[in-house]
Amino acid sequence: DIQMTQSPSSLSASVGDRVTITCRASQSISNYLNWYQQKPGRAPKLLIYTASSLQTGVPSRFSGSGSETDFSLTISGLQPEDFASYYCQQSSSIPYTFGQGTKLEIK
Amino acid sequence: QVQLQESGPGLVKPSGTLSLTCAVSGGSISNWWSWVRQAAGKGLEWIGEIHHSGSANYNPSLKSRVTISLDESRKSFSLRLSSVTAADTAVYYCGRNGGTAPGTGYYDLWGRGTLVTVSS
Repeated sequence: DIQMTQSPSSLSASVGDRVTITCRASQSISNYLNWYQQKPGRAPKLLIYTASSLQTGVPSRFSGSGSETDFSLTISGLQPEDFASYYCQQSSSIPYTFGQGTKLEIK
Repeated sequence: QVQLQESGPGLVKPSGTLSLTCAVSGGSISNWWSWVRQAAGKGLEWIGEIHHSGSANYNPSLKSRVTISLDESRKSFSLRLSSVTAADTAVYYCGRNGGTAPGTGYYDLWGRGTLVTVSS
């Protein structure tokens, strides 16, 4: 299985900040990397697919980059509704695997 | 728009079989469909997926216990997980794959999720 490692596990930031979450794959996954946002008690929501494609309806302050094994999710100008958990996921090979998550909290 | 809704028992006895169904409404069932679970306070675990043609893929860690099936006439797909233990207690989500091409095993549509507890 491909292991996905996110960092940091938790992050404190303020409204208006720019934050970056990173995700590393244990082997090359090309650009088959996806990002989700999850709020407590809710299903995950797709933000970014294939590393850098913004899902329809997702604000442009979210952006993704990277390839092969190293990827990042950047939120430019944090809004109150962005405080949540974020997960990366590889869809390069079965079993699809997720990172352990990053909890973004208000400072 | 397309919506997904999970249904099934919320309580299953140890060694029993967990059975859930995901109903697809407002759109076609011609796609890949998946199940993902999340134990309380934990991360997300991919269980498996099925195509409307009937082809399925499973997580090897669960493969011996999992069956995913699809009923085109009822526009639904189902999960069966046998020989459950407390470790299978989780919120189970159904999801729609974002495409059919390789690499499109991401989920652009999710059900609300249903909590299944394994306990006697």
